[in-house]
Amino acid sequence: AAGVIQSPRHLIKEKRETATLKCYPIPRHDTVYWYQQGPGQDPQFLISFYEKMQSDKGSIPDRFSAQQFSDYHSELNMSSLELGDSALYFCASSAPTGYTEAFFGQGTRLTVV
Amino acid sequence: GDSVTQMEGPVTLSEEAFLTINCTYTATGYPSLFWYVQYPGEGLQLLLKATKADDKGSNKGFEATYRKETTSFHLEKGSVQVSDSAVYFCALNFGQGGSEKLVFGKGTKLTVNP
Repeated sequence: AAGVIQSPRHLIKEKRETATLKCYPIPRHDTVYWYQQGPGQDPQFLISFYEKMQSDKGSIPDRFSAQQFSDYHSELNMSSLELGDSALYFCASSAPTGYTEAFFGQGTRLTVV
Repeated sequence: GDSVTQMEGPVTLSEEAFLTINCTYTATGYPSLFWYVQYPGEGLQLLLKATKADDKGSNKGFEATYRKETTSFHLEKGSVQVSDSAVYFCALNFGQGGSEKLVFGKGTKLTVNP
């Protein structure tokens, strides 16, 4: 079965650079979530999209932005990167019916040096 | 706000030991409850879920029962294996589809020794 695809799997950037992470949800899933997981930490919700509109916002820095496109894939754009942005970034998607769980991608490991 | 509290780890057990990882939640209303597992270097995988009170979720020998009276969803397994070594996250959402984010506990790292 198709899963959530994230790219790239690994990314190394320097401070003050920009990074773009991509997420391709499971087919027919209309909701995408982004989470940030620091080393040894629990996943922290950043932002979500439902039917291409932002639906919820968590602890996402102003330096980050995201969008969901017409094909439901999503991109997380991160600018002016800081060392503290180094983390595992997960994307998850869920289906449009009630009480559905979120399915996670394998994550993008971002290292800022 | 809504929150999930898990027992702190790490938890170290011998193979075939009994496992309990406690999870309690605070929420307005009646959320859906989940256990996710994260193996080293991998993403989060749904282990089991329960959507209403007294529901029991089960998978791969793991079980958890949704207890509304104690607002708990403790994870249990009767006989753990080395391959169960991972980090376990309890989570909740209100699961109405379309934008209901998951709220996670801090995670409990389990190590099972042969």
